[in-house]
Amino acid sequence: RKEVEQDPGPFNVPEGATVAFNCTYSNSASQSFFWYRQDCRKEPKLLMSVYSSGNEDGRFTAQLNRASQYISLLIRDSKLSDSATYLCVVNGKSGYSTLTFGKGTMLLVSP
Amino acid sequence: DADVTQTPRNRITKTGKRIMLECSQTKGHDRMYWYRQDPGLGLRLIYYSFDVKDINKGEISDGYSVSRQAQAKFSLSLESAIPNQTALYFCATIPRWGQNYNEQFFGPGTRLTVL
Repeated sequence: RKEVEQDPGPFNVPEGATVAFNCTYSNSASQSFFWYRQDCRKEPKLLMSVYSSGNEDGRFTAQLNRASQYISLLIRDSKLSDSATYLCVVNGKSGYSTLTFGKGTMLLVSP
Repeated sequence: DADVTQTPRNRITKTGKRIMLECSQTKGHDRMYWYRQDPGLGLRLIYYSFDVKDINKGEISDGYSVSRQAQAKFSLSLESAIPNQTALYFCATIPRWGQNYNEQFFGPGTRLTVL
């Protein structure tokens, strides 16, 4: 299994749609989980951390299943401005301070 | 002003040339990182540093070297550039402690083309 694996995408959805991103990770010792957002040719920025109990931030909901080593991100009521690449990130082999990034899933929201 | 800056933002160079990419941060963070991003491959860690005297190799350090001149400065060098080092390079920082101590703050990136 690859260290962090995501749906290849791209996802094309209309405004207002609900879209789900999936991610699996191979290192069972990973303790920290994140979703980053990257706009085209820009730097990645933290969207939200993912906690064991699941967490929500407005239209965004993140879930973690440690037993399955699975992370998800749900975006409700998609906006045009949500168009970006979404990166699944877990702390890496070297411990808390290194992160391993998935390749990302591109989202295109159309009018 | 941006908290993490990178220079240059764009660079075109020739095979065999020595290139230095610079990163500066005003966030006061201890830990700094260099990544490269290639289409279809995602972000890959080149080197990272926990303080001025601590340098660590990442997963793809061959062909690269780094220098941590000060807490705020972390430079990446390509001693003899080759075309497959053409990529988008990002510097990132992380605080040692804090609520979001794992959040990495990225610079705007350097687009490097090796001909």
